[in-house]
Amino acid sequence: SAVISQKPSRDICQRGTSLTIQCQVDSQVTMMFWYRQQPGQSLTLIATANQGSEATYESGFVIDKFPISRPNLTFSTLTVSNMSPEDSSIYLCSGGQGGANEKLFFGSGTQLSVL
Amino acid sequence: AQSVAQPEDQVNVAEGNPLTVKCTYSVSGNPYLFWYVQYPNRGLQFLLKYITGDNLVKGSYGFEAEFNKSQTSFHLKKPSALVSDSALYFCAVMNTGGFKTIFGAGTRLFVKA
Repeated sequence: SAVISQKPSRDICQRGTSLTIQCQVDSQVTMMFWYRQQPGQSLTLIATANQGSEATYESGFVIDKFPISRPNLTFSTLTVSNMSPEDSSIYLCSGGQGGANEKLFFGSGTQLSVL
Repeated sequence: AQSVAQPEDQVNVAEGNPLTVKCTYSVSGNPYLFWYVQYPNRGLQFLLKYITGDNLVKGSYGFEAEFNKSQTSFHLKKPSALVSDSALYFCAVMNTGGFKTIFGAGTRLFVKA
């Protein structure tokens, strides 16, 4: 199993600023993903973080707004840029080995509030 | 495209009674199906998965799920509910490339003492 550490756990930010969320896995994982979750709601996939190359974004999410880095197999960052109140949400990092037999491990999430 | 549906926003059950949380899926090819649980103020945890083989899959905390191909369902079950089972449950499908996972809307389970 893998343990995923995510920070910050929460933040309150001003409109127009940017926040970078860090995700550290205690072992190498093939796949890393970033999700967004409104409290008590479902998870929406933002993007797949690809090691050493540009992330693969889902419909409705763009690199200029959510730049993602993944320099190695154990670390990724998600930046929420030029924030607005609509960006207030919980952001979750997840990772796994991929493939049919593998489950995802999740970080504890970053609760973001934008004023 | 893969998708899962959880038709119930909330399920209420008395402690000691059996529980069922419903999930139906739509996939092309063989489905890779999962259940995850989210306890209050905690991250998601894996419960169980179906890839192939026996239709009844056993997982953590006494939970099991039944895969039914003809009904395209993957309902989560437990013979005897505990108050501590109260949480948010997500059904999920992994795409056939074995990469990204798509989650259902979630079902909140309340177990009353």
